[in-house]
Amino acid sequence: DGGITQSPKYLFRKEGQNVTLSCEQNLNHDAMYWYRQDPGQGLRLIYYSQIVNDFQKGDIAEGYSVSREKKESFPLTVTSAQKNPTAFYLCASQRVPTPNQPQHFGDGTRLSIL
Amino acid sequence: AQSVTQLGSHVSVSEGALVLLRCNYSSSVPPYLFWYVQYPNQGLQLLLKYTTGATLVKGINGFEAEFKKSETSFHLTKPSAHMSDAAEYFCAVSGEGNGGSQGNLIFGKGTKLSVKP
Repeated sequence: DGGITQSPKYLFRKEGQNVTLSCEQNLNHDAMYWYRQDPGQGLRLIYYSQIVNDFQKGDIAEGYSVSREKKESFPLTVTSAQKNPTAFYLCASQRVPTPNQPQHFGDGTRLSIL
Repeated sequence: AQSVTQLGSHVSVSEGALVLLRCNYSSSVPPYLFWYVQYPNQGLQLLLKYTTGATLVKGINGFEAEFKKSETSFHLTKPSAHMSDAAEYFCAVSGEGNGGSQGNLIFGKGTKLSVKP
């Protein structure tokens, strides 16, 4: 079945450590997105990519980095510069980046601080 | 810039009762509107979408929503709630090139639906 796979499901970060969250899609979608979800705040956009080898900052990009070397993969690195990384992270993909196309979501990664 | 307001962070209904979740949007262009559902510790699942055409949109699991331009609303309804409907629901809008991309969605803060037996 086609879909979006996020791993790991749970992740723990130590102080000063960078961690990478994986997102893979086999839907052949052009666009991919990373969101951060905190209770009561909805979804906030971290980074997005409309095409391979290109990505753009979202509303809360500070302390995060991404790459898009392959169409199917869009990993997110939470760096030590992100002082409050505890959250639920969601990856999404979209067939093409147009407003009538829905985004499809993975099952998320929950990141906590040790 | 586009925005979405979901009235009521928590809604509680009895099993079999009408479900009404409210969503109002702000947009300077004709909007595209979406409702998503999220079960605990899972991702978001698309319930329904309004792009163009018929203003009453039917989705999965018996949900529907009506686009009312004059009221800038896109409320989600279901005639009879089921225990399995307990989840968090998000309304989203696109169309204005939010953050530099036509595909970007702006989400409301969500409404948690509880269903009492």
